[in-house]
Amino acid sequence: QVQLVQSGAEVKKPGASVKVSCKASGYSLTRHYMNWLRQAPGQGPEWMGIINPAGGSTTYAQKFQARVTMTRDTSISTVYMELSSLTSDDTAMYFCAGSQRWFDFDLWAQGTMVTVSS
Amino acid sequence: FMLTQPHSVSESPGKTVTISCTRSRGSIAGNYVQWYQQRPGSAPTIVIYEDNQRPSGVPDRFSGSIDSSSNSASLTISGLKTEDEAVYYCQSYDSDIRVFGGGTSLTVL
Repeated sequence: QVQLVQSGAEVKKPGASVKVSCKASGYSLTRHYMNWLRQAPGQGPEWMGIINPAGGSTTYAQKFQARVTMTRDTSISTVYMELSSLTSDDTAMYFCAGSQRWFDFDLWAQGTMVTVSS
Repeated sequence: FMLTQPHSVSESPGKTVTISCTRSRGSIAGNYVQWYQQRPGSAPTIVIYEDNQRPSGVPDRFSGSIDSSSNSASLTISGLKTEDEAVYYCQSYDSDIRVFGGGTSLTVL
């Protein structure tokens, strides 16, 4: 069954970092672009960045460039997103999403809720 | 650039509804437009890609188009069903950015 499954909910203090994982089943990380997006409560999705299938290079949205790192481990079919220097504005549902095309998102994981609170 | 959608639309079962998405800068025809459906508590799912292509499993009641004269894209859903009630987002891109519209809440009543 083709699916993406993310790690569980996180609660973090301001200033901390969070690392979210996304495991692919029946879906090749070397043939699909893998993206990370987030969605704050009541808002639309916001794109954070992409991992390219060939070689695993990354491109980040300018807003997150200084504090996001996206990586992959093809041996276990898992991609990761680490976001540092968290503030309450980072409280959101975080999604990984893949596609054969670089400009869209045709398979989504279930999402991981990240709450930043003191 | 921004993508602007109406905040909400409503229509009766069996009818047809069209949701618009207007691009603020740059040509709507210059980069493909996608549409996503999001039901409460679920992740978005793609219903239209590359302006007017339907992924397998999406009913042909869903169709997409673009209009260069108004610099906008549209999602049309015909034969509305209660299960179509959801928030719909348009999405496009430009080099290293991906942009979503603010979303349109569709009520089927």
